[in-house]
Amino acid sequence: NAGVTQTPKFQVLKTGQSMTLQCAQDMNHNSMYWYRQDPGMGLRLIYYSASEGTTDKGEVPNGYNVSRLNKREFSLRLESAAPSQTSVYFCASSDRDRGRGVYGYTFGSGTRLTVV
Amino acid sequence: QKEVEQNSGPLSVPEGAIASLNCTYSDRVSQSFFWYRQYSGKSPELIMSIYSNGDKEDGRFTAQLNKASQYVSLLIRDSQPSDSATYLCAVRTGANNLFFGTGTRLTVIP
Repeated sequence: NAGVTQTPKFQVLKTGQSMTLQCAQDMNHNSMYWYRQDPGMGLRLIYYSASEGTTDKGEVPNGYNVSRLNKREFSLRLESAAPSQTSVYFCASSDRDRGRGVYGYTFGSGTRLTVV
Repeated sequence: QKEVEQNSGPLSVPEGAIASLNCTYSDRVSQSFFWYRQYSGKSPELIMSIYSNGDKEDGRFTAQLNKASQYVSLLIRDSQPSDSATYLCAVRTGANNLFFGTGTRLTVIP
């Protein structure tokens, strides 16, 4: 089925370890996003990529890096994990609804990350 | 910093009633507005979008937008237990980035 695929679904890291969260979409969307969701904080944008070859910081980029590998794939890397990065991470993609000019996001299923 | 505010709830309504969810936003140049439904442990799912003042209806859902007052609301008619979820309001301004509220948890009581 078409959509956004995230891996892994669950991960436990020790403080200081690194890891990469993978995201791929098969809807030919131009834009891709990484959000984190914490209780009481809502969804906060970490990084986004408006199109292949570009990436930009969102609200909470510190401690993260991203790579837009190609149009389909957008990865999020934690270089040195900290307990404050314990969260649920969502990847999303979007493209313009040419008929209405409205941008809707499609989300992946999420990665639950715990840093101990 | 754009802000999108929602009452966190929980909001409880009996089955068959109308559930009313509200959202306010601070950036006057906001252009597009979305409602997402998120079941516990799942990812957000788009249920409504609106970008013009007034009402937009889709089945049991009606989105209402008032740009002058900077609020957007979602009405759910004939509420069902399956509507029990957290509803996220999202606002797009300028670039194609969405800013989300913290969500309102809705419980529909059978």
